[in-house]
Amino acid sequence: NAGVTQTPKFRVLKTGQSMTLLCAQDMNHEYMYWYRQDPGMGLRLIHYSVGEGTTAKGEVPDGYNVSRLKKQNFLLGLESAAPSQTSVYFCASSLSGNEQFFGPGTRLTVL
Amino acid sequence: AQSVTQLGSHVSVSEGALVLLRCNYSSSVPPYLFWYVQYPNQGLQLLLKYTTGATLVKGINGFEAEFKKSETSFHLTKPSAHMSDAAEYFCAVTWMDSSYKLIFGSGTRLLVRP
Repeated sequence: NAGVTQTPKFRVLKTGQSMTLLCAQDMNHEYMYWYRQDPGMGLRLIHYSVGEGTTAKGEVPDGYNVSRLKKQNFLLGLESAAPSQTSVYFCASSLSGNEQFFGPGTRLTVL
Repeated sequence: AQSVTQLGSHVSVSEGALVLLRCNYSSSVPPYLFWYVQYPNQGLQLLLKYTTGATLVKGINGFEAEFKKSETSFHLTKPSAHMSDAAEYFCAVTWMDSSYKLIFGSGTRLLVRP
């Protein structure tokens, strides 16, 4: 039981490049979330999903897109990366409101 | 709108001393409250949670927190700090009918002096 996994762990992009972050969970959770963590700001919600085929915007969605084609996977895309998107990205999943399980994070640097 | 405030971005205690990390929330509906811990270069791990029932909740590693509705607080305590408690701690709130989206405080870094 791997829990929540994230791929890749590290990535460096140039401004304007695109990339996709993959989150996978093997706990059969309905809810999945993408957060970004910046110093002194805690974690902020980017997008989330309440089930396969559904997505919704969180607090800071601009510049990101997501897809949930399979229940176990939640993809976060950056179409044209900007330096302001340099951050640590965390994926989480939840069966209900009782607890969110977090992945180990992806450290992204945009030059 | 719901929000979370953590007083003190850094808290320093001596090993063996009481740990008190403060969290206040703003919510117009009954909240679910959480404390998470993050060790360097790792993800977040749940320490404890309050959803319903007993307002004093106990978590892992000897931590506990008390939900005080009248004070809109959920402070985290531990009677005796250990060096291994040094980490960053996040308070978070969610609620029903929100798709359980978590709103986090800005975090408190706990330093433990030998």
